[in-house]
Amino acid sequence: RKEVEQDPGPFNVPEGATVAFNCTYSNSASQSFFWYRQDCRKEPKLLMSVYSSGNEDGRFTAQLNRASQYISLLIRDSKLSDSATYLCVVTFYTGNQFYFGTGTSLTVIP
Amino acid sequence: DAMVIQNPRYQVTQFGKPVTLSCSQTLNHNVMYWYQQKSSQAPKLLFHYYDKDFNNEADTPDNFQSRRPNTSFCFLDIRSPGLGDAAMYLCATSRDEFGDYEQYFGPGTRLTVT
Repeated sequence: RKEVEQDPGPFNVPEGATVAFNCTYSNSASQSFFWYRQDCRKEPKLLMSVYSSGNEDGRFTAQLNRASQYISLLIRDSKLSDSATYLCVVTFYTGNQFYFGTGTSLTVIP
Repeated sequence: DAMVIQNPRYQVTQFGKPVTLSCSQTLNHNVMYWYQQKSSQAPKLLFHYYDKDFNNEADTPDNFQSRRPNTSFCFLDIRSPGLGDAAMYLCATSRDEFGDYEQYFGPGTRLTVT
């Protein structure tokens, strides 16, 4: 079983739509959680960290559910520029390993 | 203000010809990572350094080696590249261990093997 699993999509949504991605992780000892964004043929860039209490950054909201072992990312009022692959990342207390999900592809359509 | 720099951005090598990829950072981070990413796949961790301590992933082929001569620089050596090693190679850093801190990625080196 993979450490981190994501629905690969693709998600094709119209501009202005709200879209949500989920990511599940298998290790209950997981420590830190992040969402990264990766544009085609570019490096991943941190979108936001995910805190236990949930956190919001503009149109983006991240949630953590430790009991069910998943994190989520909600994007409101989608923009064309939101088109990218969104990677969830989970780390554990044991070592410096960052486990990446395979990414969810989002295309926002005019 | 580039923080993680990778050179070259594009590298073409011949089958079996050794190649070295370079990464440097201006963040003074303790941890440096090398990832391999193939098309439509997640980045795959090859190894990482915490300061001078080298940590190899169990499934990283022996063909891949790394050096970290100082805090700022880290190199990825591919001793005998095969066609299956064609990929994007990403270098990343983080401030400290235990995964509390996010990673900062370089722009990657796209390796082609002919």
